Amino acid sequence: SQELEQSPQSLIVQEGKNLTINCTSSKTLYGLYWYKQKYGEGLIFLMMLQKGGEEKSHEKITAKLDEKKQQSSLHITASQPSHAGIYLCGADYTGNQFYFGTGTSLTVIP
Amino acid sequence: NAGVTQTPKFQVLKTGQSMTLQCAQDMNHEYMSWYRQDPGMGLRLIHYSVGAGITDQGEVPNGYNVSRSTTEDFPLRLLSAAPSQTSVYFCASSSRQGSNQPQHFGDGTRLSIL
Repeated sequence: SQELEQSPQSLIVQEGKNLTINCTSSKTLYGLYWYKQKYGEGLIFLMMLQKGGEEKSHEKITAKLDEKKQQSSLHITASQPSHAGIYLCGADYTGNQFYFGTGTSLTVIP
Repeated sequence: NAGVTQTPKFQVLKTGQSMTLQCAQDMNHEYMSWYRQDPGMGLRLIHYSVGAGITDQGEVPNGYNVSRSTTEDFPLRLLSAAPSQTSVYFCASSSRQGSNQPQHFGDGTRLSIL
């Protein structure tokens, strides 16, 4: 959607490298979600950020929310082939309508 | 532990045919929604429902109908399929208890319109 812009659109990294995916909102963020989608499959919920400055981690994936910048970042440390897939950010601005970014395709080369 | 179940997983239709994509959830979630996913455009909301008997339009509702007669089921109907409706369709559900509940997604239906 135009409300959420993700960058980069695609990323190819060597196994073991760190990487960052950004998600920028055109509207004030009250909460932001990160999902992962394996190719040809559904979306898996990773984490949700609700407060400015909030940071959450799950295994080697860390996400932060900067409300002032209306931006969130997803950082993967020491990437592995299992991290490959499409990462999508999502936000609910109205309480009922959920918007998604266009996604970042991640390839990890062994 | 089924979660959100979508059927069928794949479907090929001819232009003008009608069909219903099924979605069922067993988590007693109030909120259900349908998205379509197209290359370079991410997921776009088609229709959503905040509870049985209540539906509303999302970002791209034209050409699609929905109904919500039960909490569990939220079918999506294509009345007269068009090639522009070739896409991957995802159904999702979430609880409305509390705020900012994440959505749970089905595995998708891959639909081709010839």
